[in-house]
Amino acid sequence: GAVVSQHPSWVICKSGTSVKIECRSLDFQATTMFWYRQFPKQSLMLMATSNEGSKATYEQGVEKDKFLINHASLTLSTLTVTSAHPEDSSFYICSARVRGPGANVLTFGAGSRLTVL
Amino acid sequence: GESVGLHLPTLSVQEGDNSIINCAYSNSASDYFIWYKQESGKGPQFIIDIRSNMDKRQGQRVTVLLNKTVKHLSLQIAATQPGDSAVYFCAERWTGNQFYFGTGTSLTVIP
Repeated sequence: GAVVSQHPSWVICKSGTSVKIECRSLDFQATTMFWYRQFPKQSLMLMATSNEGSKATYEQGVEKDKFLINHASLTLSTLTVTSAHPEDSSFYICSARVRGPGANVLTFGAGSRLTVL
Repeated sequence: GESVGLHLPTLSVQEGDNSIINCAYSNSASDYFIWYKQESGKGPQFIIDIRSNMDKRQGQRVTVLLNKTVKHLSLQIAATQPGDSAVYFCAERWTGNQFYFGTGTSLTVIP
């Protein structure tokens, strides 16, 4: 089956540093990937749609300069949290659409937990 | 046991009972819906999906019902097992192909 891999699964960083999270589709090509953010005991909030070879589409209220998304190939999208601060601590999850019979199922990575000290 | 989604985010059921988890979605133009299961510290896992031209779909021990008139989805789990304990989310697909998630319901199965 389709697998989406995220790395790192957990990262701790100091305030002011930048952190890059990778999202890879392991056995399929993903022209579109989605980045979500999830706070404890809350739902997944869509941050942006990552499009291969073009600019990401950000949801309202998400700072594009803060959360840089690059989708340079059909199997890799990266999210960089720039100048991270404690309020950016969260669970970041990527997903990709896998084309199924008659519909497009969204497959998720295992998530990356960011803790900013 | 039955939850009402946004108003009752926690649901506890006895092992072996049936569970009903509800979700109210927001966009009447959404054409595709998925139920996901998320265990602690992990990404969501696909359970079952349904297209807007259907009102019911059955899987193994799970059934999804769609009521477009009131923008409501439900997930029924038959003979609930301890391994079913998790948070369940419904997701709706908007016309731009983005998926948006509901509030979620935490299901606890009591042995």
